[in-house]
Amino acid sequence: QSVLTQAPSASGAPGQRVLISCSGSSPNIGRHPVNWYQQFPGTAPRLLIYSNVQRPSGVPDRVSGSKSGTSASLAISGLQSEDEADYYCATWDDNLFGWVFGGGTKLTVL
Amino acid sequence: QVQLLESGPGLVKPSQTLSLTCTVSGDSISSGNYYWSWIRQPAGKGLEYIGRIHFTGVTNYNPSLKSRVTISVDTSNNQVSLNMSSVTAADTAVYYCAREDFRVVHYARENWFDPWGRGTLVTVSS
Repeated sequence: QSVLTQAPSASGAPGQRVLISCSGSSPNIGRHPVNWYQQFPGTAPRLLIYSNVQRPSGVPDRVSGSKSGTSASLAISGLQSEDEADYYCATWDDNLFGWVFGGGTKLTVL
Repeated sequence: QVQLLESGPGLVKPSQTLSLTCTVSGDSISSGNYYWSWIRQPAGKGLEYIGRIHFTGVTNYNPSLKSRVTISVDTSNNQVSLNMSSVTAADTAVYYCAREDFRVVHYARENWFDPWGRGTLVTVSS
């Protein structure tokens, strides 16, 4: 059971916009910024969004992050087949004094 | 460009100790104010934080694994090591090392994992 809650799956047609949510609580998302990672099968996770909304170089601007209260969201617009991957949210937890991850959301492009 | 490479035995017997090394290239572990972390992922499952170390030796461990885990740093060889004792089949996973990059905003440090190593599969089996 993950400390951060994500829906196990999400889907959208090419060109559409999809939203992936991450729900936490006061000791984690409520106090700390959220990062998002993208993972393709058989490969290591890749940083997608850091500090809630920041995009590393190389990440397209159709990818965006947001945070409100104890929840965060990852939005991907203009869906493309290469967006099919698993997406994980992560943040620090003050009670556990360590990093916590969401269970991951598998994104399917229909 | 910083690169991380995990190495170690791919097969460990139950009750024994799992030992992995993360070799860092492209930068010195001692430069910068980074933490170096270990994260694992059982097949078909999500990511689990194991622990981290600063080059000064300061460590932090996942409470659920703390009694079995030791992370150390070898600055002369630019390596970070993970030891996990008394392993069981539940410890079978891909093990990743990652650098915690950061920025300071209003005197507060914001961290994230980047880059990651490619990962190494460890199977616990007799």
